[in-house]
Amino acid sequence: DGGITQSPKYLFRKEGQNVTLSCEQNLNHDAMYWYRQDPGQGLRLIYYSQIVNDFQKGDIAEGYSVSREKKESFPLTVTSAQKNPTAFYLCASTSSGTPYEQYFGPGTRLTVT
Amino acid sequence: SQQGEEDPQALSIQEGENATMNCSYKTSINNLQWYRQNSGRGLVHLILIRSNEREKHSGRLRVTLDTSKKSSSLLITASRAADTASYFCATDDSGGSNYKLTFGKGTLLTVNP
Repeated sequence: DGGITQSPKYLFRKEGQNVTLSCEQNLNHDAMYWYRQDPGQGLRLIYYSQIVNDFQKGDIAEGYSVSREKKESFPLTVTSAQKNPTAFYLCASTSSGTPYEQYFGPGTRLTVT
Repeated sequence: SQQGEEDPQALSIQEGENATMNCSYKTSINNLQWYRQNSGRGLVHLILIRSNEREKHSGRLRVTLDTSKKSSSLLITASRAADTASYFCATDDSGGSNYKLTFGKGTLLTVNP
C-alpha cells in the first residue's frame, strides 16, 4: 500500500518535554510538509522540504525543528520553546513532477499538559 | 498570511440538496485546489483548477474560478450524508514557490439524512 504514515495517532506529553512526531512516505515524493491545525481552523505550514537535506521554514516555525536525512522520512520535533503545542499535526507530501496535489497522512493529535 | 478564506464557515443541508461553498483569496495564483477532511482525519484532494480555467467538473463536484474577483466556488450536487466533512480551499502564490500552499479555515458541511 502506498501512502503516508504518521505515528502515533495520539501523543501525550508533559510541559517542558521535547517530542518527535514521525512521518514516513513510500510514494517516492520529493517534497514533504508539516502543518498544524487548531480546532475549527485551517492548516498552518510549519516546515517544508523540497529535497533531501534541505528544508524551509513555513509560517509558524518557531518552537519546532525538522530533519530530512532520507527521502522517505520527515520527522518533526516540537520543542519546549513552543508556547502552545497542543494541536493536530498533519504531514503531507507531493511529487516534484506535479507539485500541486498534496497527499496527507492521518495526523497526530498532540496534547501537552 | 492567510490566502484562502471560505464562506460560509458552516453549512447544514438535507440529503439530496446541493451545497455551495465559496473561497476568496488575495494574491495572484497558478492554481486553486479543494480538499476534504473528515473529522479527525487527514485531508483528501478533491479537485484542482488552474488560473486559466473557469470551470471544472469531477463527478458530483463542480468548481468555478473567477480570477478577476479572486474567488472560487465548490458545488456538490445531490448531497449525501457521507459528504459530511470540512472542505478547504488551498492556493499557491504565482510569485512564490509552487511547492507551498496556503489553506483557508474551511467550511464545515453537515448533510442531514
